[in-house]
Order: sequence, then structure tokens, then C-alpha cells
Amino acid sequence: SAVISQKPSRDICQRGTSLTIQCQVDSQVTMMFWYRQQPGQSLTLIATANQGSEATYESGFVIDKFPISRPNLTFSTLTVSNMSPEDSSIYLCSVRVEWGEGYEQYFGPGTRLTVT
Amino acid sequence: AQSVAQPEDQVNVAEGNPLTVKCTYSVSGNPYLFWYVQYPNRGLQFLLKYITGDNLVKGSYGFEAEFNKSQTSFHLKKPSALVSDSALYFCAVRGGATNKLIFGTGTLLAVQP
Repeated sequence: SAVISQKPSRDICQRGTSLTIQCQVDSQVTMMFWYRQQPGQSLTLIATANQGSEATYESGFVIDKFPISRPNLTFSTLTVSNMSPEDSSIYLCSVRVEWGEGYEQYFGPGTRLTVT
Repeated sequence: AQSVAQPEDQVNVAEGNPLTVKCTYSVSGNPYLFWYVQYPNRGLQFLLKYITGDNLVKGSYGFEAEFNKSQTSFHLKKPSALVSDSALYFCAVRGGATNKLIFGTGTLLAVQP
């Protein structure tokens, strides 16, 4: 298994500002992901955080709006830039732990962001 | 493209009764299937998974799920529901050549005492 922590757990921010969310894992993992869960909705994959290279973004998400860093195998950050109220969501870090042909994917506790 | 459907927004069951939360999927190739639970104001917790092997998989908190390839389903079940099982349940699938885990829309399970 993997234990994931996120900082901050929640924040209230003004529109036009930026917030950086940190994700720390207790073991080295190859795959790290960032998800968004908008109020009352399911999880949507924002991007895969690649160690040592640029993140891979899903359709509808761009690096200018959601820059991601992955300096090593246990840490990643997601920045929500130039925020608007539509960015109010829970942002979740996720890691994949693989073995043989199988794997499990774990999620952090999430960062609840409210943009006013 | 891979997709997951959870046809029920909410499932209501009385405590002590069996529960089923439905999930169907569409992927190319062999699917990897998962169930997660989300309690209020908490992150997602892993419940169980199907990769290969027995079609009936057992997971945490007494939950189990049955993989049915012909019906492309992976329904979550529990023989006797508890009030504390009340939460939001998500089915997820990974299939084909992609590394992405795609989530269903979630089903709210409400267990009445």
C-alpha cells in the first residue's frame, strides 16, 4: 500500500490568484496522477505527473492553467493558476503501486478548494 | 474508448439486508476493475479489484464483487448492510493500452436503521 498526504487540506482563495497543492507519498512510486472532483460529480483525471519530464495532460486541461511538478518519485505539486469560481473542487493526488501483472491505485485525502 | 456506467444515482437498503451497487463497463482488451468508497469529507478508499482469476473477489469491510465478462458487469455486493456503509461508491476501470483509470459517476448508498 501507499500512504499519501496532501497540503493544504482545504483553502479559500480569491479569483485571479494561484494555489499550489503538494502531494507526498511514503514510498517511491512510478505513476502519480492528479484528479479533480467537482461538487457532486465524479473524478476527472487532470494529468499524469511524470518524474523528470513534463506532465501528460488530459483533454480539456492545459499546462498554463494546471502546471505540475514531479521532482522525484515521492513528491508532486499541482498549481491551480488564475483561479475562478469554476475551479472550486476537490483536488486529489493518486499513486499507482504495481507488482507483477497487477496494481492498486491509492488516493490522497484531497484538497478542498473554494474560489470566491 | 473505455467507459464506466453506474446506472443508479442512489441505492436505499435497510440495515441487515443484502445490498448491490451496479457497474457496467466498456473497454478494449482485458479490463482491470476497481471499487472505491468515499465517506463524507474524506478521500477515496480502495475497496477491491479484479485483475485476473476468480470472478468473485473479496475486499474490505465485507464487500465483494462479481466480474461477469459476458454482461461486462462488476457489481458490488454485501450480504448484510450496515448503517456505517452509507457512503458514495465509485466503480473504475482501466483497459486496453491506456494507463488511465476512468471512474463512474458514483452511487450514493443509504442504509436505513
